[in-house]
Amino acid sequence: KNQVEQSPQSLIILEGKNCTLQCNYTVSPFSNLRWYKQDTGRGPVSLTIMTFSENTKSNGRYTATLDADTKQSSLHITASQLSDSASYICVVGDNYGQNFVFGPGTRLSVLP
Amino acid sequence: NAGVTQTPKFQVLKTGQSMTLQCAQDMNHNSMYWYRQDPGMGLRLIYYSASEGTTDKGEVPNGYNVSRLNKREFSLRLESAAPSQTSVYFCASMRGSTSGFYEQYFGPGTRLTVT
Repeated sequence: KNQVEQSPQSLIILEGKNCTLQCNYTVSPFSNLRWYKQDTGRGPVSLTIMTFSENTKSNGRYTATLDADTKQSSLHITASQLSDSASYICVVGDNYGQNFVFGPGTRLSVLP
Repeated sequence: NAGVTQTPKFQVLKTGQSMTLQCAQDMNHNSMYWYRQDPGMGLRLIYYSASEGTTDKGEVPNGYNVSRLNKREFSLRLESAAPSQTSVYFCASMRGSTSGFYEQYFGPGTRLTVT
């Protein structure tokens, strides 16, 4: 069964610190992997999109990595800010054309 | 350019009532999607439309119907609401298919409670 798992379920860090969120997937055939940020009460917003041939992609203080061999991805947040408090969702797109598999998300809280 | 808009933002229904959730996008996207988001779970696809005039079932279509009215609008109808349909519903749109590398844009969501 196609699945996306994320860890940790929740995370609390202090402002200015770095953190790394993990994503493991079993989606096949794999097409692309996305990370989204979802603020409370809002819809998800895209951070990065990576294909199987890309190892890393950055968007400001967000850097995503992908290891297609081990089917793992990570999202690294540098110098966290209070506005980074949100859920971060890992999503994998298949190669058939219309299926995205969403992970349950990691809830990040950044404290002053 | 409003992106993806959804109405209503909140709705409370009694069991057995019907309602239609509206979604519109102004980005000239081909694909549109309806998802539901429940606590502790990832977004799950209810229905999608790859292009105007076509619709297909997703992972959890039971109890729902959809209409792709035109390229801009994609509505979701609950014919006879059940408490299990209490959820947050998101509409999304995308220029192409999931096998491409287009961004998927989400609306702000509709929070539905069925009592």
